[in-house]
Amino acid sequence: DVKVTQSSRYLVKRTGEKVFLECVQDMDHENMFWYRQDPGLGLRLIYFSYDVKMKEKGDIPEGYSVSREKKERFSLILESASTNQTSMYLCASTSGDNYGYTFGSGTRLTVV
Amino acid sequence: AQSVSQHNHHVILSEAASLELGCNYSYGGTVNLFWYVQYPGQHLQLLLKYFSGDPLVKGIKGFEAEFIKSKFSFNLRKPSVQWSDTAEYFCAVNANNDMRFGAGTRLTVKP
Repeated sequence: DVKVTQSSRYLVKRTGEKVFLECVQDMDHENMFWYRQDPGLGLRLIYFSYDVKMKEKGDIPEGYSVSREKKERFSLILESASTNQTSMYLCASTSGDNYGYTFGSGTRLTVV
Repeated sequence: AQSVSQHNHHVILSEAASLELGCNYSYGGTVNLFWYVQYPGQHLQLLLKYFSGDPLVKGIKGFEAEFIKSKFSFNLRKPSVQWSDTAEYFCAVNANNDMRFGAGTRLTVKP
């Protein structure tokens, strides 16, 4: 069974902390994505990557950065966490346009 | 940029009732269409997808969706819902490698 694994299910961090969210996929997918999911807003794209060391901004990249040093791993970084970044973060991967995304279980981040 | 609209935020049905969840999108070109489901406490899962061909597509668990190009719609249907269908449903549209999700519809099925 193909998998996208997010390292933490729940995280609580303090304002100003640097936060790392890790995502690993075992499907050899080129394309990986980070979304945040908020009630009534659906999924909003933060960053995506189509290849190793490649990254592109999504719709809401402010306050975030990403790293993709290996094909299977795509990390989301909150440079200085703020309370408005409290959310559910979802990682997804796909092998191409014609295929659906495979999602991880999500990381619920609370910034206090 | 394209957008995806899901008209119903929260739908409450009794078991055995029929379901139709609306989804409209704004992009005028070629699109790939998806419905995802998120059961309570679980990750998003693909329910069904449309790329080309028969505009009526069947997915898992008895769900189906119909692509109506002239209406820019991709509505999700199920003839008879079950309590286990309680979940949040997301419509998604992919055009030119740009995937957009709707805001989601929460479905509550009363036993």
